[in-house]
Amino acid sequence: DAGVTQSPTHLIKTRGQQVTLRCSPKSGHDTVSWYQQALGQGPQFIFQYYEEEERQRGNFPDRFSGHQFPNYSSELNVNALLLGDSALYLCASSLRTASSGNTIYFGEGSWLTVV
Amino acid sequence: AQSVTQLDSQVPVFEEAPVELRCNYSSSVSVYLFWYVQYPNQGLQLLLKYLSGSTLVESINGFEAEFNKSQTSFHLRKPSVHISDTAEYFCAVRRNGQNFVFGPGTRLSVLP
Repeated sequence: DAGVTQSPTHLIKTRGQQVTLRCSPKSGHDTVSWYQQALGQGPQFIFQYYEEEERQRGNFPDRFSGHQFPNYSSELNVNALLLGDSALYLCASSLRTASSGNTIYFGEGSWLTVV
Repeated sequence: AQSVTQLDSQVPVFEEAPVELRCNYSSSVSVYLFWYVQYPNQGLQLLLKYLSGSTLVESINGFEAEFNKSQTSFHLRKPSVHISDTAEYFCAVRRNGQNFVFGPGTRLSVLP
């Protein structure tokens, strides 16, 4: 049973460009959340998707957008990249109907470097 | 809004010595509490969690944490650390149906 898979694992982009990161949740999970982890900091919540809609959003600008597909996989898009967007982007999957304390699984992350 | 404080950004400790990583949270409502570990160049792995019941929770690799409601703390302890415990440790809180709020992390360095 595959866990949460993310792609790509590493990528380098130039300021002003756009990037798309992808996440496949753990089998049986229907909810995907995205977190940004800057170097030396804890992860910060970006947004959460369930039933193909954004359900919760953290304090991130509109340059950050996402999508969830019918198979529950998700994409994170960042437009007009800034140097400060360089970070590890983590995807977390869970089952919406499960207890809130139920284990949430994180992927290995996508390392984004903006130059 | 919830917040999580991890006062120690770095904790160096010798192998086989005990360690405590501190975590305090601010929340006016009941929350679930978690410790995650992140090894170099890897994602987050759940170490242990407090949902309800006994205030002392344990992990399979010798870590334990105690929920203290009056002090709003969830400190992580291990009586004897190993070199392999070197990693970044994150405390996190979560309200029912809400997202995680993580602390800034504590880098544990176990020295030979």
